[in-house]
Amino acid sequence: DQQVKQNSPSLSVQEGRISILNCDYTNSMFDYFLWYKKYPAEGPTFLISISSIKDKNEDGRFTVFLNKSAKHLSLHIVPSQPGDSAVYFCAASGNQFYFGTGTSLTVIP
Amino acid sequence: ETGVTQSPTHLIKTRGQQVTLRCSSQSGHNTVSWYQQALGQGPQFIFQYYREEENGRGNFPPRFSGLQFPNYSSELNVNALELDDSALYLCASSLGPGTSGTGELFFGEGSRLTVL
Repeated sequence: DQQVKQNSPSLSVQEGRISILNCDYTNSMFDYFLWYKKYPAEGPTFLISISSIKDKNEDGRFTVFLNKSAKHLSLHIVPSQPGDSAVYFCAASGNQFYFGTGTSLTVIP
Repeated sequence: ETGVTQSPTHLIKTRGQQVTLRCSSQSGHNTVSWYQQALGQGPQFIFQYYREEENGRGNFPPRFSGLQFPNYSSELNVNALELDDSALYLCASSLGPGTSGTGELFFGEGSRLTVL
């Protein structure tokens, strides 16, 4: 049973525009949400997180929004850069970490 | 500060064999978690070790076992390999057990296992 879902396997965005990556979850008990970025042949690296008591967290070009009533979070990247091209995983923490299946972002120069 | 290192990076085994994967945690981290990432999927939690004891386990059979050593390095052992065990195995270290703190995991590059 997939408790964290990323329904878009891929996304292409023009350089300089906004990238919006979406994630849905099923368990209302999750208390922390994280985004990881993964380049080929590398392990995932932590990008940004948000506590369930907040609805927004911003770090430079990256902003994560949490909508608890909809059990939905999103990652906004503004402006998108070619170096942002990677696979992005959404994760939620409960008794363990649950990861989504990832969204492959391509930023076109 | 050294990051998380895993070995081997790639290996090929046949069905029924056994495999041991190794992980050195990031300096200062006392907790190691192992994840399986099948092709096209996200990482799936196998188990976590904290201070040499298993501290949580995902939905994996007992033939998946592990160890953590006093220096916090860890091993993942898989017995009686099956074709479906082919995956990238990721080790992640963290500052504390469970999903405590910021929740941030520091991942290694992974060990890609192919079972023929």
